[in-house]
Amino acid sequence: DAGVIQSPRHEVTEMGQEVTLRCKPISGHNSLFWYRQTMMRGLELLIYFNNNVPIDDSGMPEDRFSAKMPNASFSTLKIQPSEPRDSAVYFCASSEQGSGNTIYFGEGSWLTVV
Amino acid sequence: AQSVTQLGSHVSVSEGALVLLRCNYSSSVPPYLFWYVQYPNQGLQLLLKYTTGATLVKGINGFEAEFKKSETSFHLTKPSAHMSDAAEYFCAVTPSGTYKYIFGTGTRLKVLA
Repeated sequence: DAGVIQSPRHEVTEMGQEVTLRCKPISGHNSLFWYRQTMMRGLELLIYFNNNVPIDDSGMPEDRFSAKMPNASFSTLKIQPSEPRDSAVYFCASSEQGSGNTIYFGEGSWLTVV
Repeated sequence: AQSVTQLGSHVSVSEGALVLLRCNYSSSVPPYLFWYVQYPNQGLQLLLKYTTGATLVKGINGFEAEFKKSETSFHLTKPSAHMSDAAEYFCAVTPSGTYKYIFGTGTRLKVLA
């Protein structure tokens, strides 16, 4: 299995620009997570989807952030407009449905907003 | 509320020495417990996990952890450190019946030659 695939791996953008991060979960997994990792705040859950439906978006920082999952094999995280404080590593992760299942992480999208 | 505490944000050991990374959790329901490892510029990957059954869990790369309910701990150990073990290690808990994985703040392991 190819694992969770994220793109782009690295992105440098100017403040105010729109950023779209993409994720392809592991085939057959119906739970998908977006996390953000920073030195100051560690690993934070942004949003959780189950069967393509957003279940918990309480971690989404503000209205500038949005996430979609139009089908079982694709999800996006969009930031519009981006700000320097959004600079972080964004991880997508997926798992089979059910408590206690291992979540598998992608390699992350390293975002720098200048 | 559920939480995870990792004692020591940085740990240094000599090559060949015992590795001990500490994790304590709080959970109002039986927890599932995980250790993940993150190498530089990579995502997190599973080292081992405890769900039910045997409380001593063996993982990849010679690591193991023991679930101690009375101490609410899930410490990670390896008898002999290798240079390739240098990485950041995260403990995580997910209360049974939920989807929420709560991660600790991580412990960065340094292995000295």
